[in-house]
Amino acid sequence: GNSVTQMEGPVTLSEEAFLTINCTYTATGYPSLFWYVQYPGEGLQLLLKATKADDKGSNKGFEATYRKETTSFHLEKGSVQVSDSAVYFCALSDTGNNRLAFGKGNQVVVIP
Amino acid sequence: EAGVAQSPRYKIIEKRQSVAFWCNPISGHATLYWYQQILGQGPKLLIQFQNNGVVDDSQLPKDRFSAERLKGVDSTLKIQPAKLEDSAVYLCASSLERRLRGEQYFGPGTRLTVT
Repeated sequence: GNSVTQMEGPVTLSEEAFLTINCTYTATGYPSLFWYVQYPGEGLQLLLKATKADDKGSNKGFEATYRKETTSFHLEKGSVQVSDSAVYFCALSDTGNNRLAFGKGNQVVVIP
Repeated sequence: EAGVAQSPRYKIIEKRQSVAFWCNPISGHATLYWYQQILGQGPKLLIQFQNNGVVDDSQLPKDRFSAERLKGVDSTLKIQPAKLEDSAVYLCASSLERRLRGEQYFGPGTRLTVT
């Protein structure tokens, strides 16, 4: 079945540092890929998405590129801020039924 | 535009008791989802509705969980009887239609603790 794997453990980094969160997937067909973010005390929000190979999703300075050859969708941001502290979830959706499969999430803590 | 509303926000019950959660999706959203998020894990889909019909309930433990979406708007998720392993955050989400791949809007969730 479809599944998403995120790198283990929380990520702690200093303000203005470069952020990378790894995400790989297993899927049949041609899924769409997503990053969702959950800020403290809030619900999950869609951060960015890509619907086909080589597409790049971007939003709020975050980027991720759909790499079919490596089945990856790594999230990157060049210079993080304290306000980026949140939990980040990688997800994919089945072709056709919009069912989302999530990774375990990574907590990101940005220190001033 | 109002977001997805859920209530209650927190609930503590003893095992073998019953509990119900309520969700009001964004106005006009035909598709509604219930997810279970256990601490340290990503959300897992329990059930998906299209209007008031069930599209996918393959991961719903039907011996104790039930859900309905009367009139294709509000939805209720019930657990009866609860077990310790049901402790989790229950998330409701909605989307405009099934084909808008992955653009789901989530509510704040209900945190359930079963003691």
